[in-house]
Amino acid sequence: DQQVKQNSPSLSVQEGRISILNCDYTNSMFDYFLWYKKYPAEGPTFLISISSIKDKNEDGRFTVFLNKSAKHLSLHIVPSQPGDSAVYFCAASAVAGGTSYGKLTFGQGTILTVHP
Amino acid sequence: NAGVTQTPKFQVLKTGQSMTLQCAQDMNHNSMYWYRQDPGMGLRLIYYSASEGTTDKGEVPNGYNVSRLNKREFSLRLESAAPSQTSVYFCASRVTGIHGYTFGSGTRLTVV
Repeated sequence: DQQVKQNSPSLSVQEGRISILNCDYTNSMFDYFLWYKKYPAEGPTFLISISSIKDKNEDGRFTVFLNKSAKHLSLHIVPSQPGDSAVYFCAASAVAGGTSYGKLTFGQGTILTVHP
Repeated sequence: NAGVTQTPKFQVLKTGQSMTLQCAQDMNHNSMYWYRQDPGMGLRLIYYSASEGTTDKGEVPNGYNVSRLNKREFSLRLESAAPSQTSVYFCASRVTGIHGYTFGSGTRLTVV
């Protein structure tokens, strides 16, 4: 049972345009969400996160939106650059109760390709 | 600034062989994790260690064992490798209270 789903395996955009990556989750206990970026032959690196008490978090060209009622989050990259080409994973954590021990549940990943 | 170091980077095993994947972090992090990455499956948690001296099963623990040797080191052992364990393995660590992980660069394991 995939609790975090990224239904688009790949996304292709033109340099300078907006990239929108989507993620859905089913576990209502999740209250913290993260996006990771992964280049080939490297480990994932943290990109941006959002707590369930917020609906938007911005960091430079990257913005994450959270819609709790729809159990949906999205990552917007504006403007997209060729160096953004990578695999993007969304991840979720259930912190309430203090028993999660920081375990993250990851989606399947979306391969983003930004064309010059 | 080494961060999380995994060894080896690549390994080919024959079915039934055993091996240990090593992971060490130099950031004084309390919690450490082992994930595997498979195409179309994302990253799945194998085992984790919330703190030195404790280990717990994750989502896909069968066929694996772990040892939290000290605060720095968390090893993953395959006692009898199977082709289904062909994967890329990532070790990660985090500080208590911080949600994000720091990942190692991975071990690509092929079992033939």
